[in-house]
Amino acid sequence: AQSVTQLGSHVSVSEGALVLLRCNYSSSVPPYLFWYVQYPNQGLQLLLKYTSAATLVKGINGFEAEFKKSETSFHLTKPSAHMSDAAEYFCAVSPHPNTGNQFYFGTGTSLTVIP
Amino acid sequence: SQTIHQWPATLVQPVGSPLSLECTVEGTSNPNLYWYRQAAGRGLQLLFYSVGIGQISSEVPQNLSASRPQDRQFILSSKKLLLSDSGFYLCACPSPGRTYEQYFGPGTRLTVT
Repeated sequence: AQSVTQLGSHVSVSEGALVLLRCNYSSSVPPYLFWYVQYPNQGLQLLLKYTSAATLVKGINGFEAEFKKSETSFHLTKPSAHMSDAAEYFCAVSPHPNTGNQFYFGTGTSLTVIP
Repeated sequence: SQTIHQWPATLVQPVGSPLSLECTVEGTSNPNLYWYRQAAGRGLQLLFYSVGIGQISSEVPQNLSASRPQDRQFILSSKKLLLSDSGFYLCACPSPGRTYEQYFGPGTRLTVT
């Protein structure tokens, strides 16, 4: 079985500060891991993904995440927060191969950027 | 690349009224399709998924139903809405060639009053 836990439903950072959003997963098979971003009243947009290649994954808008198998983590980071980063962020896991219905999302982390 | 359309974008309905939300997909054929609901503070909940016309699997028992009358059309319905049905409804399908990755539509904001 797969599951995702996002620690911290709300995170606030100052503009220019480091962003760290935490995600831990549970998977009985090698997982594919994702981070999605959602701006108000919009659908989810893929930010980055880990698909068993490089453990450090770079995404759009300067975000990156590192897959750590020993810690079962896939934390999202950005060195310097920008006001436009304020949004809801979702971590997700999918087993591989995926028979079509196995996508598991965390409960989301709302990021606030303080000017 | 595919495009997902959802209609309507926003909807306000009274308790007990019927519901019909539509999702249509362009740029891909015979995709798996999914309905998710996002309630305030509760993340994404998978409601239904479909692997083909007329094939619906329900993930959560509730007063909602789904249908897939055409290859690229997925409809979410209810005969009588409850207050707890309020939320943001998202349609999704796999990205082309990557069945492990979800691509989302713009969503429908439903408020039940």
